[in-house]
Amino acid sequence: LAKTTQPISMDSYEGQEVNITCSHNNIATNDYITWYQQFPSQGPRFIIQGYKTKVTNEVASLFIPADRKSSTLSLPRVSLSDTAVYYCLVAPGGGSTLGRLYFGRGTQLTVWP
Amino acid sequence: DTAVSQTPKYLVTQMGNDKSIKCEQNLGHDTMYWYKQDSKKFLKIMFSYNNKELIINETVPNRFSPKSPDKAHLNLHINSLELGDSAVYFCASSQEGVRTGELFFGEGSRLTVL
Repeated sequence: LAKTTQPISMDSYEGQEVNITCSHNNIATNDYITWYQQFPSQGPRFIIQGYKTKVTNEVASLFIPADRKSSTLSLPRVSLSDTAVYYCLVAPGGGSTLGRLYFGRGTQLTVWP
Repeated sequence: DTAVSQTPKYLVTQMGNDKSIKCEQNLGHDTMYWYKQDSKKFLKIMFSYNNKELIINETVPNRFSPKSPDKAHLNLHINSLELGDSAVYFCASSQEGVRTGELFFGEGSRLTVL
């Protein structure tokens, strides 16, 4: 199972763009890259997923280079409410979630006024 | 309606006691999970059930026993509680064949063992 490495913490100010990079050197051909967001006292929440190139939704963008050994979650113009822990994980493809999903420690993003 | 609900939200107990945490999902999913999150935010899978059958047991001590009476419920019973069991326990669910890697988590149950 491909494990991931991401920074333990990051700081930013309101209105800035934040990029969180995740390494997943052992990603398999069928694996998807998935990011979750966790606010204090809440469960993690799925925010975005991609396989290659770029994916964008209303919350974030996900950039994946051609070798897929890393990915970058981009949060445009963060606000105080984006303060949370962000988890990067790889998930087996084929619509299956029966595999062990490794969440790790995540990245604590703190947004300052 | 809450999609994945856990009870209780907080649990404070003494070492050696036995306690249970209940989880229910109303999403119609066929797979449910228990995760443990320690004070450093490590989120580790403990168990996974698919259609009431245990498919993942991530080397969790025998003191932890999950039970799935039906595919909408996955309860966690812990015997002889130890200090190291203090953590937040999250229940989650997913549906096979739909978006891969998308889990729906409950709000968590914070267990404190004194």
